[in-house]
Amino acid sequence: AQKITQTQPGMFVQEKEAVTLDCTYDTSDPSYGLFWYKQPSSGEMIFLIYQGSYDQQNATEGRYSLNFQKARKSANLVISASQLGDSAMYFCAMREGNTGANSKLTFGKGITLSVRP
Amino acid sequence: AAGVIQSPRHLIKEKRETATLKCYPIPRHDTVYWYQQGPGQDPQFLISFYEKMQSDKGSIPDRFSAQQFSDYHSELNMSSLELGDSALYFCASSRTSGGLQETQYFGPGTRLLVL
Repeated sequence: AQKITQTQPGMFVQEKEAVTLDCTYDTSDPSYGLFWYKQPSSGEMIFLIYQGSYDQQNATEGRYSLNFQKARKSANLVISASQLGDSAMYFCAMREGNTGANSKLTFGKGITLSVRP
Repeated sequence: AAGVIQSPRHLIKEKRETATLKCYPIPRHDTVYWYQQGPGQDPQFLISFYEKMQSDKGSIPDRFSAQQFSDYHSELNMSSLELGDSALYFCASSRTSGGLQETQYFGPGTRLLVL
């Protein structure tokens, strides 16, 4: 079974509007972390935001926030006030466990976001 | 702030040749990870090292090997290259705090093309 599911097709948003990118996950490990990374066309992988499974509050980082619904196993990324530079591929990733021996990331297939001027 | 450094950034090889990719983690980061991202694919975990010891292994071909050195830099050695090895290879690093792993930060990647 897919551990990370990102099923939205290419997403489009108007500049300055908000957009939500969906991510659902599957794990039986009580301790896990959820990450969002941005990959522009240039190829680098840029860390955006992190949510730990035991965190009580939704994570926020500037214009990025994470809508974490643990019971539904979803971790949607919300980008507010979209900018042209937000156009990129966005990956949701999960780390099961958090010790040195089992901290690899499992990625979803990614979502392409295009911001229209 | 210092980031993960990877070299070379681009590499072109022929089939059956060898390649060595290098990674210099962020200072004071004790864990290094290697990922492979094929065209249009998501990154796939290959191997990781914690404090210079291999800590986890993913879908890394037997033709590939890696190690982490005393200065924490890591090298991914790839032999008998195949066309299917053409991909973007990322190195990421993280640090351990209180026994727990923190966020992984990725390098810019090495784009390998096998002809």
